[in-house]
Amino acid sequence: ILNVEQSPQSLHVQEGDSTNFTCSFPSSNFYALHWYRWETAKSPEALFVMTLNGDEKKKGRISATLNTKEGYSYLYIKGSQPEDSATYLCALRGGADGLTFGKGTHLIIQP
Amino acid sequence: NAGVTQTPKFQVLKTGQSMTLQCAQDMNHEYMSWYRQDPGMGLRLIHYSVGAGITDQGEVPNGYNVSRSTTEDFPLRLLSAAPSQTSVYFCASSPGPSYEQYFGPGTRLTVT
Repeated sequence: ILNVEQSPQSLHVQEGDSTNFTCSFPSSNFYALHWYRWETAKSPEALFVMTLNGDEKKKGRISATLNTKEGYSYLYIKGSQPEDSATYLCALRGGADGLTFGKGTHLIIQP
Repeated sequence: NAGVTQTPKFQVLKTGQSMTLQCAQDMNHEYMSWYRQDPGMGLRLIHYSVGAGITDQGEVPNGYNVSRSTTEDFPLRLLSAAPSQTSVYFCASSPGPSYEQYFGPGTRLTVT
């Protein structure tokens, strides 16, 4: 079982502030790192899939970076809005064909 | 496109009963998977399939059975339900495990 860690577990951020959180994973046998956004009472929705060391991806105010050599990825949210409140999940494909998810970072944006 | 559909949305079972959770996708995706979501545990992989006729175990396969006779369908069978299987179950599909996963709406299962 691969160990995928996300930190912090939860985060309260003022509206308009920028924030970031971390996904750590074993750097051996890396194939892909996924980020998902999960709103309450909905299903997870994909944000990014990254496969190459040094990858940077951006979607609107959300971006992500990947360091496969040291085994971490950062997710950044610029100028947080109330609609950004959600749980953000990362998932690793390493070695086998299954995905291992972290437990998520629960983000709450305070107006 | 309906995307990924799951039935039923809710189910209550008694201990020892069996049932099948249905999952279907209309995107011609080869890769399908089942996860369970429990408080504080995130999403844990139960079984997955890389194509029709091919299935493999994930992190928590015990008590569950799967088959993949068609590209579209990937049912999850509970052979003899136990209270520990009370959970929310999500099915997902994609072209492959290094592509973004499309999740179904989930099935909330309670075993009493």
